Amino acid sequence: KAGVTQTPRYLIKTRGQQVTLSCSPISGHRSVSWYQQTPGQGLQFLFEYFSETQRNKGNFPGRFSGRQFSNSRSEMNVSTLELGDSALYLCASMQGRQETQYFGPGTRLLVL
Amino acid sequence: GNSVTQMEGPVTLSEEAFLTINCTYTATGYPSLFWYVQYPGEGLQLLLKATKADDKGSNKGFEATYRKETTSFHLEKGSVQVSDSAVYFCALKVIQGAQKLVFGQGTRLTINP
Repeated sequence: KAGVTQTPRYLIKTRGQQVTLSCSPISGHRSVSWYQQTPGQGLQFLFEYFSETQRNKGNFPGRFSGRQFSNSRSEMNVSTLELGDSALYLCASMQGRQETQYFGPGTRLLVL
Repeated sequence: GNSVTQMEGPVTLSEEAFLTINCTYTATGYPSLFWYVQYPGEGLQLLLKATKADDKGSNKGFEATYRKETTSFHLEKGSVQVSDSAVYFCALKVIQGAQKLVFGQGTRLTINP
């Protein structure tokens, strides 16, 4: 099976812009979670989607949003980008509720 | 709340040395425990996991035992290789509740030939 894929791998944006990141889970996996990784804060949970519904949300401002499509692919959007949003954004997929999460390679976002 | 504490890095060892990376946790429920590894420029790869007390996870020569009495999940390897150089993350997921991983801060490991 193909692993979790994320596009694009790298992005450069300027403050105030918005960005959309995409994640395709492992075939058959219905849960997709997003994490932000920064040197200062480490790995932090953003949100989880299951069957097109947001099931859990981390402690991030409303500028961070996401959605999931019927084929389980997910997108996350960050509006009004700030310098502090520069990070590696990781997507993880999971088959069922109590299963292991498998991660994609991440999208590295740089905000200038 | 739920939290994970890992030993401070970076850790530098010589090839064939014995490795221990300490990990302790606090959890309100009954967590599953994981070790993930991140190689430079890549995402996280699952290294091993354990889902209940006294379980031992193992993979690629790495081992970790779920110790409920000491709330620990220390990672060990008997003889490290240069290719083991990476950042290692300990994480937990509580079965009841939000299906999210809570990570430790990561431990950077460098193996010198």
